Amino acid sequence: NAGVTQTPKFQVLKTGQSMTLQCAQDMNHNSMYWYRQDPGMGLRLIYYSASEGTTDKGEVPNGYNVSRLNKREFSLRLESAAPSQTSVYFCASSATGITGELFFGEGSRLTVL
Amino acid sequence: GENVEQHPSTLSVQEGDSAVIKCTYSDSASNYFPWYKQELGKRPQLIIDIRSNVGEKKDQRIAVTLNKTAKHFSLHITETQPEDSAVYFCAASTPYGGSQGNLIFGKGTKLSVKP
Repeated sequence: NAGVTQTPKFQVLKTGQSMTLQCAQDMNHNSMYWYRQDPGMGLRLIYYSASEGTTDKGEVPNGYNVSRLNKREFSLRLESAAPSQTSVYFCASSATGITGELFFGEGSRLTVL
Repeated sequence: GENVEQHPSTLSVQEGDSAVIKCTYSDSASNYFPWYKQELGKRPQLIIDIRSNVGEKKDQRIAVTLNKTAKHFSLHITETQPEDSAVYFCAASTPYGGSQGNLIFGKGTKLSVKP
């Protein structure tokens, strides 16, 4: 039982490059989330998926796209990376939505030069 | 929208002392208030939560209190130990922002427990 697994753990991009962060959970949770964490800013929600086939914008969706591939997998795509997207990204899942425990992945540290 | 403010941003205590972290929120519709602990380089993990129909909740050395009228909630850690050193985040749910609403996090408190 791995919980929430996200890849890659580290990535360096040049401005304008694209990449996809992958996330998978094995807890049969309906809801999945992508957060970014910046120093002194806490955790901010980028996008979430309440269930397979649905996605919603969070607080800071600009510059990102997501895909809920199936119940297990939720990916985050940066189409044209910008230095402002340098951050640590966390994927999370929940059985009961935002009013229940969020289980986080280990995080992906992204640097955009 | 919802705004969550967390104080202090850093807190240093001696081992065995108590630590208190306070958060305020702006949206009276918020009804769920979790606390997450994040050790250095690790993922955030839920340590305790409280819902709006409850005023206090305890779990061993950790307790959370909620004052709905004043819109603030606090985390209390008693008999602190070095392994309590971490960044603690409060959060408040809001029903606005998409089908599930949103969970707004405070900016975090770095707690250092000195042996």
